[in-house]
Amino acid sequence: DTEVTQTPKHLVMGMTNKKSLKCEQHMGHRAMYWYKQKAKKPPELMFVYSYEKLSINESVPSRFSPECPNSSLLNLHLHALQPEDSALYLCASSQGLDKNQPQHFGDGTRLSIL
Amino acid sequence: AQKITQTQPGMFVQEKEAVTLDCTYDTSDPSYGLFWYKQPSSGEMIFLIYQGSYDQQNATEGRYSLNFQKARKSANLVISASQLGDSAMYFCAMREGYGNKLVFGAGTILRVKS
Repeated sequence: DTEVTQTPKHLVMGMTNKKSLKCEQHMGHRAMYWYKQKAKKPPELMFVYSYEKLSINESVPSRFSPECPNSSLLNLHLHALQPEDSALYLCASSQGLDKNQPQHFGDGTRLSIL
Repeated sequence: AQKITQTQPGMFVQEKEAVTLDCTYDTSDPSYGLFWYKQPSSGEMIFLIYQGSYDQQNATEGRYSLNFQKARKSANLVISASQLGDSAMYFCAMREGYGNKLVFGAGTILRVKS
C-alpha cells in the first residue's frame, strides 16, 4: 500500500461542476506535488508546495486551484474544467526540496470531464 | 531540447532473465539526480532506485541496479531475474535545479513472458 493516499480514485464531472481532489501523507514530508498524466504519456508537474507555501506553479490554468491546509494535506480544487483536462492526477511528497530525496506518489485520481 | 530520452517504447523479456532499460539524459548542471519509477496499469508511480551525479558507486536496490555512465550521460536500469509482476511502464526521471522538479522520459513498457 502506498503511503500517499489520494481520494477519490475515480471522478466524473461536468464542465460546470466544482470538485476537489484530496491527497494525504503521514510520512512527515514537507514538500508536496501535483502532477497531471495523460494516457501513455509521462507525468507533467503542475504545482509544488514546500512548508505549506506554493513554491512552483508550472503555468497551470486558473481552473485548477491548489491548497495546502497543513503539512500532511494537499487539495486540488477544480472548477469549469474542459474535456482535455481528463487525465490521471498524481500527488507526490518528499522530505523536502533537496535534489537527493525521492518523491513518493499516490495511486492517483482518474478524472473524466463530460 | 529533450532532457531525458528513453529509446525503447516496448520491451519483452522472458521470466527469470535479466533486462536492461535504457535512459540517456542531458544537463549542464553538475549536480543532478536520476530516478527510475515503475507504473503498473493501476496507475501508482513506484519509486525504484536513485543515483546522484556525485555518487561514485552504481546504485542497487534488490533486483534493481542502475548502470550509471556519467561521461556518456546514461543511466540504464537493470532488472535481474524478471518476474511476471515486473510487467509495467518504467520511467526514467531527472531532477536538476531548484525545487525538486522531476522531468520524466517517455517511458518503456516492459512485458515479462512466462
